[in-house]
Amino acid sequence: AQKITQTQPGMFVQEKEAVTLDCTYDTSDQSYGLFWYKQPSSGEMIFLIYQGSYDEQNATEGRYSLNFQKARKSANLVISASQLGDSAMYFCAMRGDIGTSYGKLTFGQGTILTVHP
Amino acid sequence: GAVVSQHPSRVICKSGTSVKIECRSLDFQATTMFWYRQFPKKSLMLMATSNEGSKATYEQGVEKDKFLINHASLTLSTLTVTSAHPEDSSFYICSASRSGGLETQYFGPGTRLLVL
Repeated sequence: AQKITQTQPGMFVQEKEAVTLDCTYDTSDQSYGLFWYKQPSSGEMIFLIYQGSYDEQNATEGRYSLNFQKARKSANLVISASQLGDSAMYFCAMRGDIGTSYGKLTFGQGTILTVHP
Repeated sequence: GAVVSQHPSRVICKSGTSVKIECRSLDFQATTMFWYRQFPKKSLMLMATSNEGSKATYEQGVEKDKFLINHASLTLSTLTVTSAHPEDSSFYICSASRSGGLETQYFGPGTRLLVL
């Protein structure tokens, strides 16, 4: 079974500062994918960044980077230069690449990020 | 690219009625679509996976007869909540991927269902 854990229910950051949102995962699969999604109060899920389990380089997408530490089974999201519009719920998710978990996303509990001006 | 729409965005219905929610991929063909349910300030829970032209695969604990899923074309999947009850009130959100599950899933804006 796959499990995603986000231990920070809420995080606060000052505008223009960087913030790290934690995510740890548990799986016995060798191949998997890790995702971060942003969910504003409107409810839509916005894809931010993806990291494959075999990717050696940490993924980056603009102000988002994923700090992938495979041995620790962690996939933290780093948001640089926070903006007020970054205030939202953030979900870490894992996709199974084989067996019964193939293609399915398992989500963490989410972290509510609040950016202060 | 990769835009997914859902309709309606919000629906209120009486207990006992059925409600249909549509999920459309607007600028790509989606071999696979997923339906999730989310309670307020909680995580998303996968309900079922639907592949175009075949029966949906439901997750454990999800009632197939209550949540009917149809994926009739490569751009449309529907979720029908049959004989809805207040406990079915929730946020339902779909996602779509181009070619099976290994592609990134793109999510629709969600549908808020309130059953009175």
